[in-house]
Amino acid sequence: GDSVTQMEGPVTLSEEAFLTINCTYTATGYPSLFWYVQYPGEGLQLLLKATKADDKGSNKGFEATYRKETTSFHLEKGSVQVSDSAVYFCALSDIPQGAQKLVFGQGTRLTINP
Amino acid sequence: DAGITQSPRHKVTETGTPVTLRCHQTENHRYMYWYRQDPGHGLRLIHYSYGVKDTDKGEVSDGYSVSRSKTEDFLLTLESATSSQTSVYFCANSEMSNQPQHFGDGTRLSIL
Repeated sequence: GDSVTQMEGPVTLSEEAFLTINCTYTATGYPSLFWYVQYPGEGLQLLLKATKADDKGSNKGFEATYRKETTSFHLEKGSVQVSDSAVYFCALSDIPQGAQKLVFGQGTRLTINP
Repeated sequence: DAGITQSPRHKVTETGTPVTLRCHQTENHRYMYWYRQDPGHGLRLIHYSYGVKDTDKGEVSDGYSVSRSKTEDFLLTLESATSSQTSVYFCANSEMSNQPQHFGDGTRLSIL
């Protein structure tokens, strides 16, 4: 079945450092890809998405590019802030252009130190 | 979030008891979902609904049932709770099948 693999955390960085969180996927079809963020005590919030190959999703300084050839959707940010500390989830939807039946990675906990 | 309220937010109960979790949305979104979140597993889909009285199973549906008698409410029931169902449960909704899902703040359920 479909699956998502994220780099294991926790990840600890200093403020203004460059961030990469790796995400690779396995899917039988042509999935849509998502990054969600979860702040302490809250539900998940959509951070960005991409629905076809070479699409770049971006939001709040975060970016991720849908790479079909490497089945990857790595999350990047050029300069992280303390407020970016959260758990990040990569996810796919197994319905092309759809959002039902999200399959999530295990999550990566990010801590940014001042 | 997109107007989702989950209740209760916390619950502790004993093995073998029935438990019902409620998800209420203020929008008229067609799609609603129940997930559970466990360490090392991310979120896993339990059941989802694509309309009133229309539901389908997700990845981890065993031991769970759902009902949707009104557009705004989606109930998750554990008929006879087990310790393996201790988890954090999240409800989500989406307006269309190809739109991103929006999540509630979760229900922390502990089964002793």
